[in-house]
Amino acid sequence: RKEVEQDPGPFNVPEGATVAFNCTYSNSASQSFFWYRQDCRKEPKLLMSVYSSGNEDGRFTAQLNRASQYISLLIRDSKLSDSATYLCVVSRPYSGAGSYQLTFGKGTKLSVIP
Amino acid sequence: NAGVTQTPKFQVLKTGQSMTLQCAQDMNHNSMYWYRQDPGMGLRLIYYSASEGTTDKGEVPNGYNVSRLNKREFSLRLESAAPSQTSVYFCASRGLKGGNNYGYTFGSGTRLTVV
Repeated sequence: RKEVEQDPGPFNVPEGATVAFNCTYSNSASQSFFWYRQDCRKEPKLLMSVYSSGNEDGRFTAQLNRASQYISLLIRDSKLSDSATYLCVVSRPYSGAGSYQLTFGKGTKLSVIP
Repeated sequence: NAGVTQTPKFQVLKTGQSMTLQCAQDMNHNSMYWYRQDPGMGLRLIYYSASEGTTDKGEVPNGYNVSRLNKREFSLRLESAAPSQTSVYFCASRGLKGGNNYGYTFGSGTRLTVV
């Protein structure tokens, strides 16, 4: 089983739609969770951290289920500018003190269509 | 602007040539990382440095070396480039939990082609 798995995509949705991305992780020692956004030919950028209690940032809602090792991202009222690849990212301790390793999912491409 | 700066942005090498990718951050971050991104493979960790003076191998270190020159700079060297090293390389740095940016900040990437 891959360490971080995401929906294969691509997702093509009309403007205004609600879209959900799912992600599972295999390492139960994982401690921190993130969603990153990557535009075409650009670097990944942090979209939001994911907390156990769930968290919301405007139109974006992230959920974490540690028991199921499952992370989700919900985007409401999709905009054209939301078109990008969304990366599920998991962080766990890695050897030396204070050292964390990020493991990236392969990403799910979202295209929001006018 | 504060952030992570990578140079060069583009590079074409012949097989067997060497080069060094430069990375510098001005956010006073302790940890720095080098990733490569290939189509269908996602981002994979090459090397990382948890603090100045330390470096460790990541998932795909073969064919690479790194130097943490000081707290700001973390370079990646290809001693003898191979076509399999054609990729997009990203440098990243990480702030401390509770700081302004616990997530990673990435540089804009270096697109390397080895022919």
